[in-house]
Amino acid sequence: GENVEQHPSTLSVQEGDSAVIKCTYSDSASNYFPWYKQELGKRPQLIIDIRSNVGEKKDQRIAVTLNKTAKHFSLHITETQPEDSAVYFCAAIRGGGADGLTFGKGTHLIIQP
Amino acid sequence: NAGVTQTPKFRILKIGQSMTLQCTQDMNHNYMYWYRQDPGMGLKLIYYSVGAGITDKGEVPNGYNVSRSTTEDFPLRLELAAPSQTSVYFCASSSGTTNSPLHFGNGTRLTVT
Repeated sequence: GENVEQHPSTLSVQEGDSAVIKCTYSDSASNYFPWYKQELGKRPQLIIDIRSNVGEKKDQRIAVTLNKTAKHFSLHITETQPEDSAVYFCAAIRGGGADGLTFGKGTHLIIQP
Repeated sequence: NAGVTQTPKFRILKIGQSMTLQCTQDMNHNYMYWYRQDPGMGLKLIYYSVGAGITDKGEVPNGYNVSRSTTEDFPLRLELAAPSQTSVYFCASSSGTTNSPLHFGNGTRLTVT
């Protein structure tokens, strides 16, 4: 089955700086890669996703890049703000996706004032 | 829109007791999932269903059972609760179209003592 590795487990950045979270996946058939943000005590919420026919996608301060050859994808957050503090999860899914997403273990992003 | 609704929000069980975690969605989604979330371990798939009457095991199904008698409901049953089942449980659904995102419920925090 699919295996998703996520790094780092904790990331501390100064407010206003950029943050980068990286993930690798094992199944070359995976073709959909969403990112979820989870605030303390709340449910994961989708913030951005990318499909395997696209190399990069941007939405305001967040962007995701995908390298299919190397089987890795990354989340980039620019001009970080205190409300960006949360746990971020990457995930991967293959084909029709009936058997669900495989998640990374999460990155705790801390924004230092 | 209610989306995905889970009950209860919190529960404490004694070892050996049983309980059912309820999940219902009002989006007419075919695909439904149960995940458990342990600290630092991401989300792991317990069971999933692609439609009424169809269920299948995920990565960590032992100690759990599910049923899917209707499109809306996907209850998770714990038989003979064990401390290892202490976790936060999330139900999720998706439309099942290619690369459709997951919609999560607010979670059930279960403690087994």
